[in-house]
Amino acid sequence: DAGVIQSPRHEVTEMGQEVTLRCKPISGHDYLFWYRQTMMRGLELLIYFNNNVPIDDSGMPEDRFSAKMPNASFSTLKIQPSEPRDSAVYFCASSPRTLANYGYTFGSGTRLTVV
Amino acid sequence: KQEVTQIPAALSVPEGENLVLNCSFTDSAIYNLQWFRQDPGKGLTSLLLIQSSQREQTSGRLNASLDKSSGRSTLYIAASQPGDSATYLCAVRGTGFQKLVFGTGTRLLVSP
Repeated sequence: DAGVIQSPRHEVTEMGQEVTLRCKPISGHDYLFWYRQTMMRGLELLIYFNNNVPIDDSGMPEDRFSAKMPNASFSTLKIQPSEPRDSAVYFCASSPRTLANYGYTFGSGTRLTVV
Repeated sequence: KQEVTQIPAALSVPEGENLVLNCSFTDSAIYNLQWFRQDPGKGLTSLLLIQSSQREQTSGRLNASLDKSSGRSTLYIAASQPGDSATYLCAVRGTGFQKLVFGTGTRLLVSP
């Protein structure tokens, strides 16, 4: 298994532009999570999906952020318009159905810089 | 609300030392606890997963223990090596929700 795959690895964009981050979870994993990591706040959960349905988006900072999971093998996190304070590393993770017995597997992350 | 704290925030040791990293959490109602390693500029690598019913897990030179009632976990690293230098994160998964709550991390430096 190739693990959780995220793209792009690095993204540099100008303030006001739309940014789309992509994630392919491990096949067969029912849960998908988007986290953001910054020096100031550490790792924060933004949103998570169960069977492609958003379950908890309380961590999404503003309406500028949106996430979708159109099918079991693909999810996107979109920021529109982007701002410098959105600069962070964004991680995607997935987990199997049996929650108690399995942990998370993380992707390598997307380092976003908004200038 | 679950809060996870890691002590110390940073640790510097000479090669060969045995060391202990600490993790504490406020809500003992957890499914499991997971230790991760993160190298600078990289993603998170899972090291050990302890179920709520377990007391410890071992993998090579790593041993993680869990005392759910007191809200504590420790990661023991035996015979540390420079390659162990990284940030170590613990995270707990609560019973009432599916998200993983992360600690603040311990940045470890093992010098040759």
